[in-house]
Amino acid sequence: EVQLVESGGDLVQPGGSLRLSCAASGFTFSNYWMSWVRQAPGKGLEWVANIKHDGSEQYYVDYVKGRFTISRDNAKNSLFLQMNSLRAEDTAVYYCARDIVVATSLDAFDIWGQGTMVTVSS
Amino acid sequence: QSVLTQPPSVSAAPGQKVTISCSGSSSNIGHNYVSWYQQLPGTAPKVLIHENNKRPSGIPDRFSGSKSGTSATLDINGLQTGDEADYYCGTWDTSLSARVFGGGTKLTVL
Repeated sequence: EVQLVESGGDLVQPGGSLRLSCAASGFTFSNYWMSWVRQAPGKGLEWVANIKHDGSEQYYVDYVKGRFTISRDNAKNSLFLQMNSLRAEDTAVYYCARDIVVATSLDAFDIWGQGTMVTVSS
Repeated sequence: QSVLTQPPSVSAAPGQKVTISCSGSSSNIGHNYVSWYQQLPGTAPKVLIHENNKRPSGIPDRFSGSKSGTSATLDINGLQTGDEADYYCGTWDTSLSARVFGGGTKLTVL
């Protein structure tokens, strides 16, 4: 079964750090771009970052640049999101998602994890 | 403020058809694939449409997508009460070098 399972969400104080993990199974992880998408309570979806299948390219939404780092370990079928200098507005459910690429163009997110909750509060 | 614009809510009766619009620009919808997602309450999103108008296996043909210029549309025919959910459009924005979503549309089946 194709599956993504996130972990690492927690309650953290403003200015703190957290590392999220996403364990992939049921597919050849090293063949796919991967993303992190978040959803603040009662709000819409917001893409956070993605990483190319071999880790050679990463892209970020503007307001996490310099604070968040996406990475992957293809040998361990794992995706990570290192979050530093956390702010209250980073409070959200964080999903990892598999990116579909058609030819050379990013298409959809076809597989999603169940999400992990990050709460930034004092 | 989302890069892609969707109506906040739509509603229709069971068995009817509803259309959800998604408006963007030449840097996103105009030159990139559009996808649509359904998010039922308390669950992760699920892809309904990819590559503008293709349905993944298992998605009923009641759901259809289209794109014209800088806008896209999701049609849902034969509405069922189980279709009540939030719906999001998404694409890549070439100018931003970022994935973008619409703000989401809440569908109510009356």
